[in-house]
Amino acid sequence: EPEVTQTPSHQVTQMGQEVILRCVPISNHLYFYWYRQILGQKVEFLVSFYNNEISEKSEIFDDQFSVERPDGSNFTLKIRSTKLEDSAMYFCASSRDIGEAFFGQGTRLTVV
Amino acid sequence: AQSVTQLDSQVPVFEEAPVELRCNYSSSVSVYLFWYVQYPNQGLQLLLKYLSGSTLVESINGFEAEFNKSQTSFHLRKPSVHISDTAEYFCAVSPTEAAGNKLTFGGGTRVLVKP
Repeated sequence: EPEVTQTPSHQVTQMGQEVILRCVPISNHLYFYWYRQILGQKVEFLVSFYNNEISEKSEIFDDQFSVERPDGSNFTLKIRSTKLEDSAMYFCASSRDIGEAFFGQGTRLTVV
Repeated sequence: AQSVTQLDSQVPVFEEAPVELRCNYSSSVSVYLFWYVQYPNQGLQLLLKYLSGSTLVESINGFEAEFNKSQTSFHLRKPSVHISDTAEYFCAVSPTEAAGNKLTFGGGTRVLVKP
């Protein structure tokens, strides 16, 4: 069964460093997403991506964040200068259209 | 904008007992509704969804949820739980008119099934 794959599963980075979280969505899906879940809080939408551009983004997704689909298979989330409050579980998801978003296992980002 | 409220943050339940997880939503537009499950140390998995048609939807592992438009609810039930149902359950909605599938999640309900 096809699945969304995220790497790494756990990333530790120093405050102020850049970090790139990687995702391989399901191959025939058209919509790609990043969500995050700070420990003990709700899963929050960050950004959606369709047709090689951002289709929607939340207030959380400020200039420190960017997404890219560099080669037609990977989908990356970059945080330019990490802050302590960026520590969270980051989930990538993809969907073909409406009805079901498939989530990856998540990347736990710890900023120290 | 949408919001989702799951009234119970934790629900302890004995094995083979029934369980109900409550979900209410608020939205100015029509929405699709979903329940996702997160087992320990795993990602989110879709449990069931309501897109249209019958307001009662079922999963393959015995869960069911009923969409009640007048009460803006989508409660999840299972008549007899197993130890393996121990997990966190998230209710979510997405607008029907928007392309794609941006989800708004509730806070989650942690179900602990006791032997």
